[in-house]
Amino acid sequence: DVKVTQSSRYLVKRTGEKVFLECVQDMDHENMFWYRQDPGLGLRLIYFSYDVKMKEKGDIPEGYSVSREKKERFSLILESASTNQTSMYLCASSSTGGEGVNSPLHFGNGTRLTVT
Amino acid sequence: GNSVTQMEGPVTLSEEAFLTINCTYTATGYPSLFWYVQYPGEGLQLLLKATKADDKGSNKGFEATYRKETTSFHLEKGSVQVSDSAVYFCALRTGGFKTIFGAGTRLFVKA
Repeated sequence: DVKVTQSSRYLVKRTGEKVFLECVQDMDHENMFWYRQDPGLGLRLIYFSYDVKMKEKGDIPEGYSVSREKKERFSLILESASTNQTSMYLCASSSTGGEGVNSPLHFGNGTRLTVT
Repeated sequence: GNSVTQMEGPVTLSEEAFLTINCTYTATGYPSLFWYVQYPGEGLQLLLKATKADDKGSNKGFEATYRKETTSFHLEKGSVQVSDSAVYFCALRTGGFKTIFGAGTRLFVKA
């Protein structure tokens, strides 16, 4: 079974802090994603990566950056945390091969970030 | 642009009741359609999918049929259980990397 592991379940940070959210997958997937989940808004894509050192902006990249130095690890960085970044953050991965566009996303359990 | 609209929740049912959660989509081209489920305290997991018109996806007693003429992918289950209480997300993907999600529908099943 694919396992996507997010390093923290809960984080509390102060406004202005630099925040790192880490995600690791163990199935050699090419693609990795960061979403945020807010009530009534569903999941919104922040950034994704289709290869090591490659990254693409999603729908809401402002205030975030990402890093993918190794295939299995994808980090989300909040450069200067703000209260409107309080949210649930979900990491996901998927394969390019096999089912291709039909291959599903595999999610981690999420990190609930509170910025005070 | 591409979008997914699903019925607002919460939906509250008694055990063994019939479930329908409506989902409609707007997309260019021929998307693949998915239902994901999120149990309390967990991330999303794939429930079922359909990749072309008239395909029926099924899993754990849940079913959904890809209806191109009505651009719909409604989720159904004949007899729900308390353990089905979760949030259900309809989603689509076209040829790129991005998956577009609906807002989610929370289901409560009472014993």
